[in-house]
Amino acid sequence: DTAVSQTPKYLVTQMGNDKSIKCEQNLGHDTMYWYKQDSKKFLKIMFSYNNKELIINETVPNRFSPKSPDKAHLNLHINSLELGDSAVYFCASSQDRGFNEQFFGPGTRLTVL
Amino acid sequence: DAKTTQPPSMDCAEGRAANLPCNHSTISGNEYVYWYRQIHSQGPQYIIHGLKNNETNEMASLIITEDRKSSTLILPHATLRDTAVYYCIVRVVGSWGKLQFGAGTQVVVTP
Repeated sequence: DTAVSQTPKYLVTQMGNDKSIKCEQNLGHDTMYWYKQDSKKFLKIMFSYNNKELIINETVPNRFSPKSPDKAHLNLHINSLELGDSAVYFCASSQDRGFNEQFFGPGTRLTVL
Repeated sequence: DAKTTQPPSMDCAEGRAANLPCNHSTISGNEYVYWYRQIHSQGPQYIIHGLKNNETNEMASLIITEDRKSSTLILPHATLRDTAVYYCIVRVVGSWGKLQFGAGTQVVVTP
């Protein structure tokens, strides 16, 4: 069974469009995250939710809006897409906010044309 | 969180031990050392973590120096599937899970 899943795997869209990426975890974890990996391969945390509550927002533009309908899901909605948003987005989850390992999803490669 | 310094790349022969160094000279007492790896095009994978004692699990061993300013990840018998970018991360206790990834070390295991 897949632990952390993301859809879609690939997303190609035009500048100015609005798109969403979905993430689901079946591990029963309380905390979920979104990371962005740019073309230079640097991974940066964007958001973290604990029990549906936002706990980390790393000064991400407000065009990015995470939504957590329940503990198992953390979706990422992006408005007015820009070229610089092209990247691979990874969702992750962990048992809690403590020291436990984070489990990452397979990633969503977003290409903005 | 403290910064880490890792060599950008290293090669390892299949079947041999791979020793990956990490310098974290500004680490503070409440920071753990974590290691993750990212195999090409996949999400990062947790390997091991520790505070000050050496740790071992089914994947690797983590050796932390007594002054905690550096550590070494040891893959005891490297296989081709261990080819990946390895990230050494230090993380404050209770920092809401925030992992700050650096550039990592690209490890290539050769036959």
